Amino acid sequence: DGGITQSPKYLFRKEGQNVTLSCEQNLNHDAMYWYRQDPGQGLRLIYYSQIVNDFQKGDIAEGYSVSREKKESFPLTVTSAQKNPTAFYLCASRDDPGTENIQYFGAGTRLSVL
Amino acid sequence: AQSVAQPEDQVKVAEGNPLTVKCTYSVSGNPYLFWYVQYPNRGLQFLLKYITGDNLVKGSYGFEAEFNKSQTSFHLKKPSALVSDSALYFCAVRERHRYSTLTFGKGTMLLVSP
Repeated sequence: DGGITQSPKYLFRKEGQNVTLSCEQNLNHDAMYWYRQDPGQGLRLIYYSQIVNDFQKGDIAEGYSVSREKKESFPLTVTSAQKNPTAFYLCASRDDPGTENIQYFGAGTRLSVL
Repeated sequence: AQSVAQPEDQVKVAEGNPLTVKCTYSVSGNPYLFWYVQYPNRGLQFLLKYITGDNLVKGSYGFEAEFNKSQTSFHLKKPSALVSDSALYFCAVRERHRYSTLTFGKGTMLLVSP
């Protein structure tokens, strides 16, 4: 988990509320990723960013938004449009998208609905 | 589209016995293949990868994996299991082009009994 910091560790969302999950990396990596993990479903890609000020939708982007204003930061907002937000959210980063380099993960944020 | 199948939700083995966690994949062209491990409420930790070369890849904690192109498989193995190996294991694949993203299997829970 070293090098990628996710906060908070636990987060609770009220009905109709937007919440933002933080992801910061000090690895100087270009690419960053957000995944959602549900029991028995593995990891599903929400959004990814290959470079600052650019990002792309993954497989399950609906109800989520991101920004990439700084290389080291890639926050994820879970909007009120996401009707089933309860899950474990994982952030990851990778050095050069053109190489086979390893993708490193943060420790995760567990989001629950009140 | 690329995909990964981990046919077993759970694998049980006694400590000291060999273990195998199965993975098959589908991808255009030659793949990059990875194994990750996840302990409860933690992020994913990298175990090993296949990029090119020798079909038998050695990784962390005594794990190894064998790439079989004809069977499109990348099974994870360890000659002698430890109780501390009990965790959730993910296989992942990506295509060999610059901006490809990782696709994960649904995970296999490995339970090693004393």
